[in-house]
Amino acid sequence: KNEVEQSPQNLTAQEGEFITINCSYSVGISALHWLQQHPGGGIVSLFMLSSGKKKHGRLIATINIQEKHSSLHITASHPRDSAVYICAAVPNTGNQFYFGTGTSLTVIP
Amino acid sequence: NAGVMQNPRHLVRRRGQEARLRCSPMKGHSHVYWYRQLPEEGLKFMVYLQKENIIDESGMPKERFSAEFPKEGPSILRIQQVVRGDSAAYFCASSPGLAVLYQETQYFGPGTRLLVL
Repeated sequence: KNEVEQSPQNLTAQEGEFITINCSYSVGISALHWLQQHPGGGIVSLFMLSSGKKKHGRLIATINIQEKHSSLHITASHPRDSAVYICAAVPNTGNQFYFGTGTSLTVIP
Repeated sequence: NAGVMQNPRHLVRRRGQEARLRCSPMKGHSHVYWYRQLPEEGLKFMVYLQKENIIDESGMPKERFSAEFPKEGPSILRIQQVVRGDSAAYFCASSPGLAVLYQETQYFGPGTRLLVL
């Protein structure tokens, strides 16, 4: 069983829709990262958070440490948001990352 | 300020050869991470280094793989006696090294696509 689970695995949305991607983890963590991998393969770090909520432009990330759950929201989605979104948890033991399997998002114009 | 640079971008090797992948971190960054992404699979952590020191190599295969980050020059991921199963994209990332381990934003390079024939 993977320590980090993401849902959904695949997501298709119409342009303008509000999107939510979920990440659940089974280990105690000290931080969680959200990454975006573009169709060409390039990877961008979106957020690193250990509590509460962070916002950057149309992207919002939240985390609930007690419930072992994080969400990534995209408001007013756009075709350029089409990518694979990956969460990565940093366990309390302080070593390694546990990666989710990714959510493939396609936003249709 | 140049981003993280990796070279080569594509590397073809025959089984049994050695592969050397290079990663130059962003200016001012002293921490480097290496990740592997097998075809149709997710990212997997391999190793975390700071200059002249391996912080965490718990994700590295025990044999044939090694990594270094010397005082001068790029970080090197070395794969000896490559096999077909080593074909993957290898990404490196860097961070300033100012915060608690793994709790910094990482900046990713474009990756090296290794193909083993």
